Amino acid sequence: QSALTQPASVSGSPGQSITISCTGTSSDVGGYNYVSWYQQHPGKAPKLMIYDVSNRPSGVSNRFSGSKSGNTASLTISGLQAEDEADYSCSSYTSSSTLVFGGGTKLTVL
Amino acid sequence: QVQLQESGPGLVKPSETLSLTCAVSGYSISSAYYWGWIRQPPGKGLEWIGSIYHSGSTYYNPSLKSRVTISVDTSKNQFSLKLSSVTAADTAVYYCAFSKGGAFDYWGQGTLVTVSS
Repeated sequence: QSALTQPASVSGSPGQSITISCTGTSSDVGGYNYVSWYQQHPGKAPKLMIYDVSNRPSGVSNRFSGSKSGNTASLTISGLQAEDEADYSCSSYTSSSTLVFGGGTKLTVL
Repeated sequence: QVQLQESGPGLVKPSETLSLTCAVSGYSISSAYYWGWIRQPPGKGLEWIGSIYHSGSTYYNPSLKSRVTISVDTSKNQFSLKLSSVTAADTAVYYCAFSKGGAFDYWGQGTLVTVSS
């Protein structure tokens, strides 16, 4: 199975909004509403930010939102803050009953 | 709150078997849901290794399937990973995690395993 495709890096200024894309195929992202997004600060374990395309776990800021169109899922962070600077990875369930991650995107807050 | 803690050797020789254990607290591993292993090579992205359902059904990454075994020890409330015939490419931080479905809700802190002679 091939990794999902994410941009290597994105950046934005405090207060702005940014969107990170996650592109797969009809056998993963496009075929199921089981896309998740994780935030990872350096040296730390990943933290679940979005599950099932657009749901936020308890305690996650509503500045984080998720969506999907066709084979591409997106994570949007609004009102960018310094503490949002981190790596973000998407994952999806697949038609083979497996999971696949994206390559990760480094978010820089300017 | 579910808590997970990985343990095992930090150094494994090439061609040998990597063995890690994940101790679970705050939830009975036999009750429900999925328990998984994910790894992250230095400076690279996350890679799903495999998951085990509380009933014992296993699901593996096709690229690793021939070398991976995940098992559960309900008496100790822990689950384990074995990866055979390791090479330098298996050097990574290994995470154990808990999933109610497709997403991993809780993660261990991770443990670095280096493959080197």
